[in-house]
Amino acid sequence: GAGVSQSPSNKVTEKGKDVELRCDPISGHTALYWYRQSLGQGLEFLIYFQGNSAPDKSGLPSDRFSAERTGGSVSTLTIQRTQQEDSAVYLCASSPLSTDALNTEAFFGQGTRLTVV
Amino acid sequence: TQLLEQSPQFLSIQEGENLTVYCNSSSVFSSLQWYRQEPGEGPVLLVTVVTGGEVKKLKRLTFQFGDARKDSSLHITAAQPGDTGLYLCAGEEDNYGQNFVFGPGTRLSVLP
Repeated sequence: GAGVSQSPSNKVTEKGKDVELRCDPISGHTALYWYRQSLGQGLEFLIYFQGNSAPDKSGLPSDRFSAERTGGSVSTLTIQRTQQEDSAVYLCASSPLSTDALNTEAFFGQGTRLTVV
Repeated sequence: TQLLEQSPQFLSIQEGENLTVYCNSSSVFSSLQWYRQEPGEGPVLLVTVVTGGEVKKLKRLTFQFGDARKDSSLHITAAQPGDTGLYLCAGEEDNYGQNFVFGPGTRLSVLP
């Protein structure tokens, strides 16, 4: 597809279970971002991948959260031992590499709505 | 990581009114973007500003980047119900790194 694709679109899981969220960025985009959005709130930065550089993990809220990006393309966000406070919409975005700020844009997927019960 | 603040957090107005929302930081950004997010969707870019003092217009929307590149405003003229949504500002931390930092957003409701 032409846009950022996220799966699943909805996920209900029991407290304590592990979940994996997937993001397929736009082909050729070197930058990939994960954000978390709680109900009615703004975007909370989680992790940022840029090409082959070490990811910026400064936003991950705990060591239960991890993310990988394989082959510079698809990314998986894993949440281990989920807690109720992990319930949120997890948004993925990608961006092409550009040194021209006017031509940079984060393209977002529609998100995965995670509900921990 | 640089932080962005937005105000007001919530705004409810009648159709036809004008409004301004603000995005502020104590730090300098190389560029600043405004996104609009509708329910169930990801944010969509409205505009990017890069030069201090820059003003950009997009139909009824006017965006301004502060002279010091620390703040920005979004002014909507004659608001329409279709303008309803969450308005997010995002700062780019440096020209090459492209790590976008988002503000908490202003939730706008335009009533018919």
